[in-house]
Amino acid sequence: QVHLVQSGAEVKKPGASVKVSCKASGYTFTSHYMHWVRQAPGQGLEWMGLINPNGVRTIYAQKFQGRVTMTRDTSTNTDYMELSSLRSEDTAVYYCARDISEADKSWWLDPWGQGTLVTVSS
Amino acid sequence: SSELTQDPALSVALGQTVRVTCQGDSLRTYYASWYQQKPGQAPVLVMYAKNNRPPGIPDRFSGSSSGNTASLTITGAQAEDEADYYCYSRDIRGDRWVFGGGTKLTVL
Repeated sequence: QVHLVQSGAEVKKPGASVKVSCKASGYTFTSHYMHWVRQAPGQGLEWMGLINPNGVRTIYAQKFQGRVTMTRDTSTNTDYMELSSLRSEDTAVYYCARDISEADKSWWLDPWGQGTLVTVSS
Repeated sequence: SSELTQDPALSVALGQTVRVTCQGDSLRTYYASWYQQKPGQAPVLVMYAKNNRPPGIPDRFSGSSSGNTASLTITGAQAEDEADYYCYSRDIRGDRWVFGGGTKLTVL
């Protein structure tokens, strides 16, 4: 069974960095992209970016360029998302989600990790 | 702002049919996928590649696409279908992906 298990909740001060992990199991890790998505309290889903199957290419949403780094450790089947220069508006639940695509025409995310709450507060 | 547009809220009577729509230029080229999210839970895939249901998703859920609009239809809505629904697709401008703003579905 495919599972994504994320690291636990974090509380950070403004200006700090946070690194969230996402450990995959039940499938060939190096065959799939991984996306990161966040959800601020009471808000919708926001796409942050992705990392490619071998971990050498990333694509970030313009909003997060310069502040986000996504990495992959293929030896432990774990992806990481680090967000720096945190501000209160970064308080959100952060999700990893496995990418599946078909014929360069359809993309979907399945499954999702359980989410990691990151709270930014002084 | 999202390049995929959804109605913020819809309601449906128990047992009736409801269509959740998602509009965007990218949907003329790419298919949308759909996610159900209940309070305090991670999103769950309910429809992909126009009209494919993952295992475990009831067959009252169906998908369609025409022009710039993708739709998720629930035929015979149940109380447990009350949730937020999000569409998702690749953006037409290139290497980025986007979610619709979400539709809060209430089952009356």
